Amino acid sequence: EVQLVESGGGLVQPGGSLRLSCAASGFTVSSNYMSWVRQAPGKGLEWVSVIYSGGSTDYADSVKGRFTISRDNSKNTLYLQMNSLRAEDTAVYYCARVAPSKYFDLWGRGTLVTVSS
Amino acid sequence: QSALTQPASVSGSLGQSITISCTGTSSDVGSYNLVSWYQQHPGKAPKLMIYEVSKRPSGVSNRFSGSKSGNTASLTISGLQAEDEADYYCCSYAGITPYVFGTGTKVTVL
Repeated sequence: EVQLVESGGGLVQPGGSLRLSCAASGFTVSSNYMSWVRQAPGKGLEWVSVIYSGGSTDYADSVKGRFTISRDNSKNTLYLQMNSLRAEDTAVYYCARVAPSKYFDLWGRGTLVTVSS
Repeated sequence: QSALTQPASVSGSLGQSITISCTGTSSDVGSYNLVSWYQQHPGKAPKLMIYEVSKRPSGVSNRFSGSKSGNTASLTISGLQAEDEADYYCCSYAGITPYVFGTGTKVTVL
């Protein structure tokens, strides 16, 4: 079955770090563009980051310099390392596969990150 | 990059048609035929409904259709059904950014 399963969310203090994982099955992560999209409680969707099949990356201005997207080809898993977390980073984080025509065709169920003291 | 502008809410009666607009700029919606639409029920992950402005993925009802004119894209739901009640988000490729979502629209079925 083709699916994405996120993990790693939880409660973290402001200034802390967290690493999210997204395990893929049914397709190869490294052959696709993969993204993280987040949704703050009661708010809309916000694109966070993308890793291209060639390995290059892009970030939203709101997380640039604090978040790092990466992948482990041997584990077919996508990651998001989040440092210097702020209250405004509180959200459900979704991983998503990006189709060649720049749309998100497969989504995980999401993992909740709460930044609070 | 600012979010694309959508109406906060749209409502319609069972069986009616509604249209949700998604207004961007010449740097995103106006420059690329790469607008997609997502449906999200409460507590669930988004689901792709439309891609490349007007194409429907396999399994999505033909009651959903998309279009674009200039900097504004639109999603039309015809023959409104109870299960269509959800939040809807547009998204456009934006080149350098590279993806920008809309502000979201809550659809209510009366």
